[in-house]
Amino acid sequence: SQQGEEDPQALSIQEGENATMNCSYKTSINNLQWYRQNSGRGLVHLILIRSNEREKHSGRLRVTLDTSKKSSSLLITASRAADTASYFCATGSSNTGKLIFGQGTTLQVKP
Amino acid sequence: GAVVSQHPSWVICKSGTSVKIECRSLDFQATTMFWYRQFPKQSLMLMATSNEGSKATYEQGVEKDKFLINHASLTLSTLTVTSAHPEDSSFYICSARAGTSNSNQPQHFGDGTRLSIL
Repeated sequence: SQQGEEDPQALSIQEGENATMNCSYKTSINNLQWYRQNSGRGLVHLILIRSNEREKHSGRLRVTLDTSKKSSSLLITASRAADTASYFCATGSSNTGKLIFGQGTTLQVKP
Repeated sequence: GAVVSQHPSWVICKSGTSVKIECRSLDFQATTMFWYRQFPKQSLMLMATSNEGSKATYEQGVEKDKFLINHASLTLSTLTVTSAHPEDSSFYICSARAGTSNSNQPQHFGDGTRLSIL
């Protein structure tokens, strides 16, 4: 069953603006990961944040994790048209090693 | 690094045909591989977890006899959709991960297989 809920479901912004996506989950986690999926393609791993970490950066990406609120956010700064894709959060279980994916946020960046 | 190749990328076949999909980790040894199914505009649903040299673990509601999984080596897992019917049409995606189940290792995904059953 899906445990992650993402907000918003869809986001449309202009190139250069920042995009923020939120993810909430229900159970305890080992880590939380963010993936990007271009239409009709597989998923590309963006960033992994461990349960004992609060913030992580990778290029124009910033991920935060609040385990007390069971939530995470992905910030894409200075967005580009090439950032147009679906973004999924996925929680990693310490018991099973499986990933449970959220419903995803569809991001459209207009040039 | 961490490239996963999935083949074929697109299959169209008649109802009743069995279809095999391959998932290969090209530059690392995949202790565990995962098979997902994705419907249009929806998220990924885990079908099964495949460990090298052992039987796959299927998620609840996934028919083992319908979706045969073989993980014969540390670089190859296959999913066979047996006697496929139109309701099996979907986008199937595999992923591979190195390390143990408790490791903080990301999963690396193939590009998916679009299966269309006529």
